[in-house]
Amino acid sequence: DVKVTQSSRYLVKRTGEKVFLECVQDMDHENMFWYRQDPGLGLRLIYFSYDVKMKEKGDIPEGYSVSREKKERFSLILESASTNQTSMYLCASSLEGNNEKLFFGSGTQLSVL
Amino acid sequence: AQRVTQPEKLLSVFKGAPVELKCNYSYSGSPELFWYVQYSRQRLQLLLRHISRESIKGFTADLNKGETSFHLKKPFAQEEDSAMYYCALLSGGSYIPTFGRGTSLIVHP
Repeated sequence: DVKVTQSSRYLVKRTGEKVFLECVQDMDHENMFWYRQDPGLGLRLIYFSYDVKMKEKGDIPEGYSVSREKKERFSLILESASTNQTSMYLCASSLEGNNEKLFFGSGTQLSVL
Repeated sequence: AQRVTQPEKLLSVFKGAPVELKCNYSYSGSPELFWYVQYSRQRLQLLLRHISRESIKGFTADLNKGETSFHLKKPFAQEEDSAMYYCALLSGGSYIPTFGRGTSLIVHP
């Protein structure tokens, strides 16, 4: 069974902290994505990566960075967390050339106090 | 720019009633469209794609290029259909899915 695993289900951080959200997939997928999911706003793409060490900005990259040192792992970094980054974060992966089907993780609910 | 619009935040129906979740898109080329679903406490997953012309869990969706729509339909809703539904567009340019804002479907007993 395919799997995208996000390391934390819930996180509570303080304003100004550096936050790491980790995502690992075991399907040997080339493409990986970070979305944030907010009620009424749907899914908005933060960053995506189509290969190791490659990254592209999505629609809302401000305040975020990413790291992909290994194919299976895609990390989202909040350099200095702010309260408006309180959200559900979803990681997803897909095969190269087949973004028709994204496989999602179960999400990380981040609260920034 | 490509865009996906789901005009209803919430759709509430009774069991056995027909359901139609609306999705409109804007894209000048030939799009690929999808519906994703997220049941309570489960991860977001692909429900169906227009290119497959399939029926999944009784749901169908037809791409109407004239009306730029891809509405999701089911003739008789079930309580287990209660979930959040997202319409998504994959354009030939970016190959990155663009999602709508989602519609929460509640099916009452």
